[in-house]
Amino acid sequence: GAVVSQHPSRVICKSGTSVKIECRSLDFQATTMFWYRQFPKQSLMLMATSNEGSKATYEQGVEKDKFLINHASLTLSTLTVTSAHPEDSSFYICSARVPGGGRYEQYFGPGTRLTVT
Amino acid sequence: GIQVEQSPPDLILQEGANSTLRCNFSDSVNNLQWFHQNPWGQLINLFYIPSGTKQNGRLSATTVATERYSLLYISSSQTTDSGVYFCAVGRDDKIIFGKGTRLHILP
Repeated sequence: GAVVSQHPSRVICKSGTSVKIECRSLDFQATTMFWYRQFPKQSLMLMATSNEGSKATYEQGVEKDKFLINHASLTLSTLTVTSAHPEDSSFYICSARVPGGGRYEQYFGPGTRLTVT
Repeated sequence: GIQVEQSPPDLILQEGANSTLRCNFSDSVNNLQWFHQNPWGQLINLFYIPSGTKQNGRLSATTVATERYSLLYISSSQTTDSGVYFCAVGRDDKIIFGKGTRLHILP
């Protein structure tokens, strides 16, 4: 149980274009999902918390107009990188928490490697 | 915010050896997880352990919340154990990742 998928796994786009990444909880409903980015050989940094039916909460320093998050259903959150630039190239990983039970354990998707040329 | 420190940063061991990875944190937490990131980037959940001791096969973990540290033990290492081990801690939903321990098991 507690499987999270991401699509696509890898994407290459040209500078100035937008890219959408999907995160799905496959066997549970996730009221809360999270988006992280990871640069090579570095740790994961939380970008934003996505709540179903409400606006995402962004971490300090993350541009909300550049990284659009939509959590339209209990099993799907999307991250759109708008007007991508080479510095946005990174590994983007989503996670979801199984609600209830007082546990805060997060389960992670396999990640999306974005390369902006 | 909460600070997380993992040690050692790098570890090279021979297959069959045992190892202990440490995670120190600066404030009280009610959420602590250990992950293994494989070479493809997938984070594998190892333990959800805000306190106490747990074991799963060759792996075990102990968190002493009052002293703000957690330990991950790997016994009889195998080459497939290679990768980066992350500790992530926090309060409720929000977790902060340490910088990880990069483990390399030699055949």
